[in-house]
Amino acid sequence: DAKTTQPTSMDCAEGRAANLPCNHSTISGNEYVYWYRQIHSQGPQYIIHGLKNNETNEMASLIITEDRKSSTLILPHATLRDTAVYYCIVNAGNNRKLIWGLGTSLAVNP
Amino acid sequence: EPEVTQTPSHQVTQMGQEVILRCVPISNHLYFYWYRQILGQKVEFLVSFYNNEISEKSEIFDDQFSVERPDGSNFTLKIRSTKLEDSAMYFCASSRTGSRNQPQHFGDGTRLSIL
Repeated sequence: DAKTTQPTSMDCAEGRAANLPCNHSTISGNEYVYWYRQIHSQGPQYIIHGLKNNETNEMASLIITEDRKSSTLILPHATLRDTAVYYCIVNAGNNRKLIWGLGTSLAVNP
Repeated sequence: EPEVTQTPSHQVTQMGQEVILRCVPISNHLYFYWYRQILGQKVEFLVSFYNNEISEKSEIFDDQFSVERPDGSNFTLKIRSTKLEDSAMYFCASSRTGSRNQPQHFGDGTRLSIL
């Protein structure tokens, strides 16, 4: 089973920040938090990952709490093309097997 | 930006027939994976492959499934005798190494329909 818990769905207004939470209270010290998204049955798209520190790239920011038991993916200015299912994944002991949950279905509304 | 490519995008096959799904991983990547997603369900891990060997496989990956890297660029998934329940999207992925710090990058998948 997935080691993460995410809300089933969220809404966001176009142009606003989308903040997607994830709980991973059983995360181990050497496990990374990964975020992927899947747009309408396309292949999963890698977004960002982190271990302890907050991370930012051209797509998003990742905020990890100090105790590492939860994290938030931030899409700073959501567009309609960001409508997708977002998956928070913690490595299942290694990076050779990603265990997927049902993710958060994000709807960006005009 | 380099990407994983998969062919065909859609494969329709009669039950009991063999099918081969093809993938071209990102060129400097060393680890390769197959996942599947039955319509409306979670993405499921099938197998990981490194140095011409399977490094890990799931319970789904039974004797009907095999993987191969026939040359320096292709990575294939073969289903020997397809069943109706094999109908799914099949995604290939690759990563530069097997390190926890290396993301897996996915192709857009092959939709396999078994009739």
